[in-house]
Amino acid sequence: KQEVTQIPAALSVPEGENLVLNCSFTDSAIYNLQWFRQDPGKGLTSLLLIQSSQREQTSGRLNASLDKSSGRSTLYIAASQPGDSATYLCAVTLSGGYNKLIFGAGTRLAVHP
Amino acid sequence: EAGVTQFPSHSVIEKGQTVTLRCDPISGHDNLYWYRRVMGKEIKFLLHFVKESKQDESGMPNNRFLAERTGGTYSTLKVQPAELEDSGVYFCASSQIFGSYEQYFGPGTRLTVT
Repeated sequence: KQEVTQIPAALSVPEGENLVLNCSFTDSAIYNLQWFRQDPGKGLTSLLLIQSSQREQTSGRLNASLDKSSGRSTLYIAASQPGDSATYLCAVTLSGGYNKLIFGAGTRLAVHP
Repeated sequence: EAGVTQFPSHSVIEKGQTVTLRCDPISGHDNLYWYRRVMGKEIKFLLHFVKESKQDESGMPNNRFLAERTGGTYSTLKVQPAELEDSGVYFCASSQIFGSYEQYFGPGTRLTVT
């Protein structure tokens, strides 16, 4: 049974810091991995999707890496800003592509000025 | 291009009543998924449609939940009769049936059963 774990559960940093959010999964037979952002009371915004054959994806100040064999992904946020404050969720789909997403519990990030 | 929309945004009902949630996926997305988050827990999968067919309904908690997607466009999720433990946020997502299968989420419906 696939399980997704995110560490840390919460993180508070001063503005300008570079930070890393961690995601681990128990079954390496994944099709892809998505990182999402959720603002309070809002839906999920897809940030990055990494397919199993890829090692990393970048979008602006965000960089996500994937090490499928070790069951790990990291989301790197460069030069954090108060607007980055949100909950970040990691989710995987098993081989088959269109299958359901299996979510971690998320990391709640607060960036203070 | 419009994103995934859900209606209503909030619903407060009494135990034993019926509620119907609606999801309109992104136009052209044949995959449609329902998920929910109950208080303090991870977001969990409920079911998956491919067009109008149920591909996977392994996450549906019990037979009080009924999902439909007539015509392969919008979908409804009915809870009848609602119980206290059904409270939570219900999310809908959609994706294409080719390519990366990236899932796009709606804003969710917050359901409160009192």
